[in-house]
Amino acid sequence: DAGITQSPRHKVTETGTPVTLRCHQTENHRYMYWYRQDPGHGLRLIHYSYGVKDTDKGEVSDGYSVSRSKTEDFLLTLESATSSQTSVYFCAISESGEAGLSYNEQFFGPGTRLTVL
Amino acid sequence: AQSVTQPDIHITVSEGASLELRCNYSYGATPYLFWYVQSPGQGLQLLLKYFSGDTLVQGIKGFEAEFKRSQSSFNLRKPSVHWSDAAEYFCAVRYNQGGKLIFGQGTELSVKP
Repeated sequence: DAGITQSPRHKVTETGTPVTLRCHQTENHRYMYWYRQDPGHGLRLIHYSYGVKDTDKGEVSDGYSVSRSKTEDFLLTLESATSSQTSVYFCAISESGEAGLSYNEQFFGPGTRLTVL
Repeated sequence: AQSVTQPDIHITVSEGASLELRCNYSYGATPYLFWYVQSPGQGLQLLLKYFSGDTLVQGIKGFEAEFKRSQSSFNLRKPSVHWSDAAEYFCAVRYNQGGKLIFGQGTELSVKP
């Protein structure tokens, strides 16, 4: 299994509080991703990173920010959590983002279940 | 917009029966296609992938999938389902650089004895 950990694994918080989720990898992969999973929607990309301090938005980035100060860590922050951000959050990594390369498949972490009351 | 559709939200099959899960993607440049499986409370595990070449690809756990460009489909199959195959299955596609995957909504598979 790819060396990906997420912390915390479960969190309950209140509306309006800041929340930071951490993804840590030991594979030295360049690309890292944050997804949210909701019933009926599959996984939707929030933000991704293609290197240290290089990030870009995904399709559902509103209300989220990210940071990557080291290759191994990718942080997802909810500045002011809302109930609509209750979800399961998955981190993923890939060696490359280049299309058509066999080593650009994504490996997923175990997920973080976040509940915003 | 580029999209992936899994028409079946939930499928129930008997143990030992064959399985086919459907996946259709919106038209675009050569797609790179994936099937992932998610067991309850777990992350996603890659079953198989298609980049080019032979349109019938073999994956782990006895699964295979066939890419049909004319039908914009990438259906997942297994000849004989085991109870341990009960899980949720996601089809995903990537069209371009950046590594961004587009996921289908998922198909939940139940296996009855």
